[in-house]
Parts: sequence; structure tokens; C-alpha cells
Amino acid sequence: DTGVSQNPRHKITKRGQNVTFRCDPISEHNRLYWYRQTLGQGPEFLTYFQNEAQLEKSRLLSDRFSAERPKGSFSTLEIQRTEQGDSAMYLCASSRYASADTQYFGPGTRLTVL
Amino acid sequence: KNEVEQSPQNLTAQEGEFITINCSYSVGISALHWLQQHPGGGIVSLFMLSSGKKKHGRLIATINIQEKHSSLHITASHPRDSAVYICAVRFIIQGAQKLVFGQGTRLTINP
Repeated sequence: DTGVSQNPRHKITKRGQNVTFRCDPISEHNRLYWYRQTLGQGPEFLTYFQNEAQLEKSRLLSDRFSAERPKGSFSTLEIQRTEQGDSAMYLCASSRYASADTQYFGPGTRLTVL
Repeated sequence: KNEVEQSPQNLTAQEGEFITINCSYSVGISALHWLQQHPGGGIVSLFMLSSGKKKHGRLIATINIQEKHSSLHITASHPRDSAVYICAVRFIIQGAQKLVFGQGTRLTINP
């Protein structure tokens, strides 16, 4: 257990539905990252926050995806109008202020879109 | 060409064998991470290194900055070492730090 938690751990949804995932980082960590991992591949960066500010978004993050970290603590990742191609493991990680610090990963949320 | 390449993609060995997993990258980096991902998906950071060599228990990580290459070694391998090992490199592009992951090496240690 790294101290980063994610909920739910598994989500099965039908195409076209909206889903929301939650990440609770290690409490003193300022930075929070979202990654997506498809089968057999390494994680791909989606977006990251420093405190409540979303500082960067990957081109992978289409306009159906939105992430928030309203109080600089937990974060949510919402996917609207899900597509089968969204099926993946969604990983959250947190680190201290310095970007070179080690990132601590949560267990991930596995999304299956039917 | 991917910025981070790992080899082999899959590795099966017998308990006790010495294991080497390789990572090559194509850009100048500020740091390299080795991560371990268990079947349930959880990722654990094993090492972060920017030069030389680090050792933790039976795990050793080395990096050669000039050759843009890193290796992860496991001595006296054990079935509980079975996992996916991922190399990730940190570099700066357009003033921002990026972390790019390799595709992972699936290691299976048979008893």
C-alpha cells in the first residue's frame, strides 16, 4: 500500500454512459498525476495537478475527459459518453512539490466499456 | 520509434536465476525510474537514479548516461518477483518535465 487510494477499483459501464473515478493522494503531496494504461503497454500520461491547478493535459485527453482537484487534495477524473476504446486501467500517482520526486502510484481503476 | 525501449518483453526463468532487464532511451534525461507492477495493477517505485548504481536487497539498478541505457538486475530470483517491470524516463521538453514509460517486461519466475 503506497498511501494513494483510488475508487472504484473496477468499473463496468455501457458505451455512452458517464463515469467518474476518484483518487486520494498522500496527504502532504502537492502534485497529482493521472495516467492511462492499456493491456500490454506502459502507462501514458494524461494530466497533472499542482495543488488545485491543472498544469498540463496530454493530447490523449479528449474533450470527453475532464479532471478536477478542487481543494488541492483528492482528484476526480470524469469520462463522458464512454467509448469502448476508453477501456483501460486508469492510474493516479502523487508526489511532493518537486517534479523530480518519486511518484507513488495508486492501485488503479480498471474500466471496461461494453 | 518509442522514446523508451525495454527488452526483453517477456522473460521466464527458474527460481534462483540471475535476471537482467534492459532499458534504452533516445533523449537526454534528468532521471530514470524502475517500477514494479503486480498482476492487480498496483505500481511500486523501485529505484530512481540519474547516474551510477543503486542496490536494494536483491535488486540492483545501473545507468549509463552516455550510452542512454539502464539495467535492472535481480539476484537469486524468487517466484514472488514475478511481475511487470517498467522503466520510465524523466526529461525536459519545452521547459516542462515529462515522464515517459516503456512498455514493460513481464517476468515470470517458476519454482
